[in-house]
Amino acid sequence: NAGVTQTPKFRVLKTGQSMTLLCAQDMNHEYMYWYRQDPGMGLRLIHYSVGEGTTAKGEVPDGYNVSRLKKQNFLLGLESAAPSQTSVYFCASSYNQETQYFGPGTRLLVL
Amino acid sequence: GEDVEQSLFLSVREGDSSVINCTYTDSSSTYLYWYKQEPGAGLQLLTYIFSNMDMKQDQRLTVLLNKKDKHLSLRIADTQTGDSAIYFCAEIDSNSGYALNFGKGTSLLVTP
Repeated sequence: NAGVTQTPKFRVLKTGQSMTLLCAQDMNHEYMYWYRQDPGMGLRLIHYSVGEGTTAKGEVPDGYNVSRLKKQNFLLGLESAAPSQTSVYFCASSYNQETQYFGPGTRLLVL
Repeated sequence: GEDVEQSLFLSVREGDSSVINCTYTDSSSTYLYWYKQEPGAGLQLLTYIFSNMDMKQDQRLTVLLNKKDKHLSLRIADTQTGDSAIYFCAEIDSNSGYALNFGKGTSLLVTP
């Protein structure tokens, strides 16, 4: 039981490049989330999903797209990376509202 | 969403008690959470409290909840240098499928 895993752990991009961050969970959770963490800002919700095939926007969705084609995976895409997207990205999943499980994070640097 | 408020910094001596305060915004949040983040690491769920409780104790941790004032506090007894970290208060965002709305975090420094 690996819990929530994130791939990659660290990535450097040039402005305008694209990439996909992968989040995977093996707990059969319905709910999955993508957050970003910036210094002094805490964590902010980018997008979330309440089940396979569904996605919704969070607080800071601009510049990101997501997909939940399989229940266990939640993908976060950056079509054209910008320096403002330099951040640490955390994925989380939950079965209900009681406990949310976080992944180890992906550090992204956009030059 | 609206801001969950926390003081930014707290410094205590080893062995003393630490109290970290938080003011949350959503009175309908069923649970309220405290997470710990050490430098360069992910988020560790420390403890949480159900909204119909006033207090929860878990070893060195005591959580107090004042629903009338929307105030949550975390007390760490006998604080150790290993407790130095950032502590985040979080509430459930009822508009976003149980997503969490975090405060900006309180940086706790424990000095010998």
